Amino acid sequence: QKEVEQNSGPLSVPEGAIASLNCTYSDRGSQSFFWYRQYSGKSPELIMSIYSNGDKEDGRFTAQLNKASQYVSLLIRDSQPSDSATYLCAVNNNNDMRFGAGTRLTVKP
Amino acid sequence: AAGVIQSPRHLIKEKRETATLKCYPIPRHDTVYWYQQGPGQDPQFLISFYEKMQSDKGSIPDRFSAQQFSDYHSELNMSSLELGDSALYFCASSLGLAGVNTGELFFGEGSRLTVL
Repeated sequence: QKEVEQNSGPLSVPEGAIASLNCTYSDRGSQSFFWYRQYSGKSPELIMSIYSNGDKEDGRFTAQLNKASQYVSLLIRDSQPSDSATYLCAVNNNNDMRFGAGTRLTVKP
Repeated sequence: AAGVIQSPRHLIKEKRETATLKCYPIPRHDTVYWYQQGPGQDPQFLISFYEKMQSDKGSIPDRFSAQQFSDYHSELNMSSLELGDSALYFCASSLGLAGVNTGELFFGEGSRLTVL
């Protein structure tokens, strides 16, 4: 079992819709959870971090964490074509970051 | 603002050759991480350094070695290259190991290695 699992995708949503990205992790001791966005051929960039159970909102992005279920999600409201990218879920594991395989999101105009 | 600099950006090698990738972290960043990302794959953690000492080791093959120098730049040395080593190699830097806890890893543009 991979340490961090994500929907394989691809996920396609129309412009203006809500995109929902999901992630589960295996290490119950994980404390920090992140979402990175990676455009094709580019490096990952941090867009959201969450450390405690519940929701965290930042603009059009909302991260949700449920440690009991070992589940992290990212909601993107009012999706824009510029949101089209691969979204990587990452989990802090001791002193390094473990990434999921990523979910490719396409937002259609 | 200065970012993480990686060189070379593209590298083509033959099987069994060696390759060296370089990473220059953001000024004042003392922690460097190396990741390997194959086509359509997630970034796989290879190794990290903090204050010139290895801080953690991931799925780095024995054929690979790395170090961090006194100016905090890091080099990833790959020997006996195999076709499967073809990938995008990312370096990321942070200020202290806390970067892992905050997610504040700043990635370079990556070095694309192609092994023929």
